[in-house]
Amino acid sequence: GAVVSQHPSRVICKSGTSVKIECRSLDFQATTMFWYRQFPKQSLMLMATSNEGSKATYEQGVEKDKFLINHASLTLSTLTVTSAHPEDSSFYICSATVEYEQYFGPGTRLTVT
Amino acid sequence: RKEVEQDPGPFNVPEGATVAFNCTYSNSASQSFFWYRQDCRKEPKLLMSVYSSGNEDGRFTAQLNRASQYISLLIRDSKLSDSATYLCVVGQGAQKLVFGQGTRLTINP
Repeated sequence: GAVVSQHPSRVICKSGTSVKIECRSLDFQATTMFWYRQFPKQSLMLMATSNEGSKATYEQGVEKDKFLINHASLTLSTLTVTSAHPEDSSFYICSATVEYEQYFGPGTRLTVT
Repeated sequence: RKEVEQDPGPFNVPEGATVAFNCTYSNSASQSFFWYRQDCRKEPKLLMSVYSSGNEDGRFTAQLNRASQYISLLIRDSKLSDSATYLCVVGQGAQKLVFGQGTRLTINP
């Protein structure tokens, strides 16, 4: 199946700093990628839809100025958590669709101290 | 009310048992239905799509009842490796997926 990678897999940062997470489609082109967040023992929540060459579409309640998404190429989308706070600590997962099936990246575990 | 509701469990069953999970969804306009499996601290992986006619993949059987907005998953002859969290997922057009909270299953030897 299609492969989606994420980098880094784990990151620890101090409160107030910004963190960038990369999501790459390795063997296919993805015009659309999705960013999810999962808190412990909770379901994945869609944060935003990332569209290549245009602005991302954010879900209700997700601050677009805090979670910056850039989808500059057909194989790369980035999520930047700006001025991170401890409550932003979570598991961030991206996905991309190939023929109506979504493939997920391995996730990035963010811990903000 | 959550868009996709599942019993979070945990379900603890002996190896070889049959176990069934249920899920309900609230949006009648939902277009596609899936069961995903998520292992601890890993990304979700597609287990199977779910169709109104029902579908079977080895020991796994999924059913969809659109009238009742109800989805089920049956696992027969459960294996230790089936231990995971099972996510009920509903597609709502434009590739948007809505995830249930997940049902945690532990198969005991």
